[in-house]
Amino acid sequence: NAGVMQNPRHLVRRRGQEARLRCSPMKGHSHVYWYRQLPEEGLKFMVYLQKENIIDESGMPKERFSAEFPKEGPSILRIQQVVRGDSAAYFCASSRGQGQETQYFGPGTRLLVL
Amino acid sequence: QQQVKQSPQSLIVQKGGISIINCAYENTAFDYFPWYQQFPGKGPALLIAIRPDVSEKKEGRFTISFNKSAKQFSLHIMDSQPGDSATYFCAASIDYKFYFGSGTKLNVKP
Repeated sequence: NAGVMQNPRHLVRRRGQEARLRCSPMKGHSHVYWYRQLPEEGLKFMVYLQKENIIDESGMPKERFSAEFPKEGPSILRIQQVVRGDSAAYFCASSRGQGQETQYFGPGTRLLVL
Repeated sequence: QQQVKQSPQSLIVQKGGISIINCAYENTAFDYFPWYQQFPGKGPALLIAIRPDVSEKKEGRFTISFNKSAKQFSLHIMDSQPGDSATYFCAASIDYKFYFGSGTKLNVKP
């Protein structure tokens, strides 16, 4: 039973490029959450999505960041025109329903902006 | 504004000792308090969790103590082992939204 999968695991981008992070939830899970972890800090909520819907994007920067969870395929977190401050680990979690106990985290994508 | 404050930032414990990590929160609407364990290069994994109607929860060597009036909760790791060396995060949540502490890096010396 595969867990939450994220790819790539490491991503290097130059300032101004685009970063695309992918997350495949656990089988049977239709709720996806994205978190950002800066060095030496805890995870911070960015966005919560269900299939084809953004439920809560209150933690996501208004500019350059977008997320989607299409009917088919993985959830995508997209960062346009990356800046050095975007360097962080981005974690995806999934759950079967909307709840607290059931969020399972993926291994994360480490983004480095040069 | 940091919703959940965690201390200490790092902790060194001898094998067999007790590791204690503390967290404090402000928002009384939080109704679920999990602890996560994270190894380098991995995602956080749920370790143990508690709801505010309970003052203590124990699972194996891991115990959460919860003080609702003080708005504090702590993780106790009994008989700490080198394999417990990891970063531990407390969190507090309202529904699906989790607020994490800044983490405690635990090093258990053999």
